[in-house]
Amino acid sequence: DTAVSQTPKYLVTQMGNDKSIKCEQNLGHDTMYWYKQDSKKFLKIMFSYNNKELIINETVPNRFSPKSPDKAHLNLHINSLELGDSAVYFCASSLLAGGSGEQFFGPGTRLTVL
Amino acid sequence: AQSVSQHNHHVILSEAASLELGCNYSYGGTVNLFWYVQYPGQHLQLLLKYFSGDPLVKGIKGFEAEFIKSKFSFNLRKPSVQWSDTAEYFCAVNAIQAGTALIFGKGTTLSVSS
Repeated sequence: DTAVSQTPKYLVTQMGNDKSIKCEQNLGHDTMYWYKQDSKKFLKIMFSYNNKELIINETVPNRFSPKSPDKAHLNLHINSLELGDSAVYFCASSLLAGGSGEQFFGPGTRLTVL
Repeated sequence: AQSVSQHNHHVILSEAASLELGCNYSYGGTVNLFWYVQYPGQHLQLLLKYFSGDPLVKGIKGFEAEFIKSKFSFNLRKPSVQWSDTAEYFCAVNAIQAGTALIFGKGTTLSVSS
């Protein structure tokens, strides 16, 4: 059984397009996260939602908009894609808010902007 | 602000060699500490974690880590590495306060030759 799943796994698109990445967790966790991993493998938090409410919003361009229709889903929509958005995006979830519990990661979505 | 430093960017070992990866964090309060591993092409998996109690924690696959509060360190060790340990290793820290995400170090690439 997949605990945290993301779709798509790979996404190749042109600059200026709008795209979405979906994330779902079946662990019954209340908190979900989006991380960006750049080409140097550095992982940085982007957003965190606890029970559909935004609790962390790091310094991320407002072209990135997370949406949580329910606590099992946290989608990431990106407008007007730029070359620098190319990265691997990981979704994660945890039982406890604030990162104080173990986080379970999805398989990642490799976004390539041409 | 919290930060995490991983001293070794790339470590190259032969099978059966011993491993120690350094991790230091900057935060004066109570922390939870984690080591995650990312095998080539895969998502992050938890190796081990420290929340409280015995500062020497044992994780999966023969890994262990020691929390030394006075040194703000949480070094990862394995007495004898295997080729299958080739991966990226991330140290992560969370301060015990609401709304704080995991802060990751920049990762250490471990290459084990058979």
